Amino acid sequence: AQSVTQLGSHVSVSEGALVLLRCNYSSSVPPYLFWYVQYPNQGLQLLLKYTSAATLVKGINGFEAEFKKSETSFHLTKPSAHMSDAAEYFCAVTPGGGATNKLIFGTGTLLAVQP
Amino acid sequence: DTAVSQTPKYLVTQMGNDKSIKCEQNLGHDTMYWYKQDSKKFLKIMFSYNNKELIINETVPNRFSPKSPDKAHLNLHINSLELGDSAVYFCASIAGGGGAFFGQGTRLTVV
Repeated sequence: AQSVTQLGSHVSVSEGALVLLRCNYSSSVPPYLFWYVQYPNQGLQLLLKYTSAATLVKGINGFEAEFKKSETSFHLTKPSAHMSDAAEYFCAVTPGGGATNKLIFGTGTLLAVQP
Repeated sequence: DTAVSQTPKYLVTQMGNDKSIKCEQNLGHDTMYWYKQDSKKFLKIMFSYNNKELIINETVPNRFSPKSPDKAHLNLHINSLELGDSAVYFCASIAGGGGAFFGQGTRLTVV
């Protein structure tokens, strides 16, 4: 079975500071991993995805994530936070690339950006 | 042009009523999902359809009945609504290779 654990339900950073949102996964088969962002009263938007190619994945809005098999981690980072980054972030896992495979979400991390 | 569209965006109804939420995608994907997001933002998978066939049913009460008339549409009908059904319901369309495209959500409030 697959699962993801997001450490820290709330993260607060200052504008311009490094953003680090943590995600650890559990999967019995090579996983595909995703980060999504949800702005208030909106749907989820795909930030980036790992699909067994390059371990360092770059996404939209300056975010990137690194797949570390030895640590079963897929942490999301951004060098410099903007006020507009304040949102809920979700890590998700699916076993492999089939569209019919279950996409399982973590519990989310709310990112607050202080001026 | 919206890739995944849900209607209505808001739905307020009384306990015991029956309601439907519609979802349409224009991405040409074969697989669509319904997720329920509770007040703590937890996203729980409910159903998945692949090319009009049910492939995932996550022990959702049988008051919830999805219907897929074609692979571009996945509607959700809920009978005998209960207070605990209040949540935001998201439709998603998924491509091979991963990556889901979500609708804007339907906020259901049962009073």
